Amino acid sequence: RKEVEQDPGPFNVPEGATVAFNCTYSNSASQSFFWYRQDCRKEPKLLMSVYSSGNEDGRFTAQLNRASQYISLLIRDSKLSDSATYLCVVNMGGSARQLTFGSGTQLTVLP
Amino acid sequence: NAGVTQTPKFQVLKTGQSMTLQCAQDMNHNSMYWYRQDPGMGLRLIYYSASEGTTDKGEVPNGYNVSRLNKREFSLRLESAAPSQTSVYFCASSEGPDPTQYFGPGTRLLVL
Repeated sequence: RKEVEQDPGPFNVPEGATVAFNCTYSNSASQSFFWYRQDCRKEPKLLMSVYSSGNEDGRFTAQLNRASQYISLLIRDSKLSDSATYLCVVNMGGSARQLTFGSGTQLTVLP
Repeated sequence: NAGVTQTPKFQVLKTGQSMTLQCAQDMNHNSMYWYRQDPGMGLRLIYYSASEGTTDKGEVPNGYNVSRLNKREFSLRLESAAPSQTSVYFCASSEGPDPTQYFGPGTRLLVL
């Protein structure tokens, strides 16, 4: 079983749609959680951190459920520029603050 | 600030050749990382350096060596390239208790 699992998609949605991505992680001792965005043939970039209380950044909402070891990302009012691969990322602790990456969910927003 | 830079951007090698991938960061970060990214597998950690003068193996270290030359630079060496090392290689850095990592633009390597 992968340590961080995501639905690979692809998700193809029309502009203005709401789309949700899910992610599960295997290590219950995991300490922090993130969503990164990766555009085609580019490097990953931090989209947002995920907090236990849930957090929102504009059209993006992230949720964490520690009991179920589940993370979600909700994108409202999708824009063409949201087309990218979304990586679920977990910090499982350790001295080097190593991150474990999911394989990503591909989103295409259609005009 | 350039952030994290990597050279070269692209490289084609023949099996058995060697090469060094270079990475530098100008954010004064202590920790640096090398990953490889293959289709459907996500990023996998090859080696990391928690601070200048230290290096440790990650998930997939076989076939690679690293050098933390100074605080800014962290290089990855392939001594004898194999087709299985065809991948996109990313360098990253982070600082302090914040595990957020900042990535370079990547090196696309093809081993024939």
